[in-house]
Amino acid sequence: NAGVTQTPKFRILKIGQSMTLQCTQDMNHNYMYWYRQDPGMGLKLIYYSVGAGITDKGEVPNGYNVSRSTTEDFPLRLELAAPSQTSVYFCASSYSYSKPQHFGDGTRLSIL
Amino acid sequence: DAKTTQPNSMESNEEEPVHLPCNHSTISGTDYIHWYRQLPSQGPEYVIHGLTSNVNNRMASLAIAEDRKSSTLILHRATLRDAAVYYCILRDTGSSNTGKLIFGQGTTLQVKP
Repeated sequence: NAGVTQTPKFRILKIGQSMTLQCTQDMNHNYMYWYRQDPGMGLKLIYYSVGAGITDKGEVPNGYNVSRSTTEDFPLRLELAAPSQTSVYFCASSYSYSKPQHFGDGTRLSIL
Repeated sequence: DAKTTQPNSMESNEEEPVHLPCNHSTISGTDYIHWYRQLPSQGPEYVIHGLTSNVNNRMASLAIAEDRKSSTLILHRATLRDAAVYYCILRDTGSSNTGKLIFGQGTTLQVKP
């Protein structure tokens, strides 16, 4: 029962470095989402995808990029890491726009 | 996106029922009421959702006011494992087919032994 798998679980980056947060799901879900959660706050939507080859911006897309070349994978790219991007990142997927979302366990990212 | 209002925190005793309120006075006719919860150091998990009628599942019950301007998540017998942040979210399935969830700050539920 893998569900939504996120890697890595923890990462420390230096300012200006780049990295890709990986997200994969094995439920054949069309819809996938990336959220970030700052301490004590609710989740904010970064990007989402309604199917392979289709992505769109959420509430807080600046500083991030995504791609969706397959149904299973939805990687999130940080090109020039900034301290403001220190957060916990969650990936989620759902079968359709009306079905519940399934979340991964998150990636805890610190930028120093 | 329509907004929800929840108390910041609530306390409950173990094995007692818990009623978590949510106000959503600007709800539209196509908004579903969704509840998710987030256990410490985990991603959110789906709890329950409904449109107009009360709903029950193995985790909880959802009571929706007749005018739909408020709802209540009911945990029938709280356990220590139910200590979490509970989010009440309106999900528009009418004009938007993106399925986006707009999270507020939620209600932090503490369960005392």
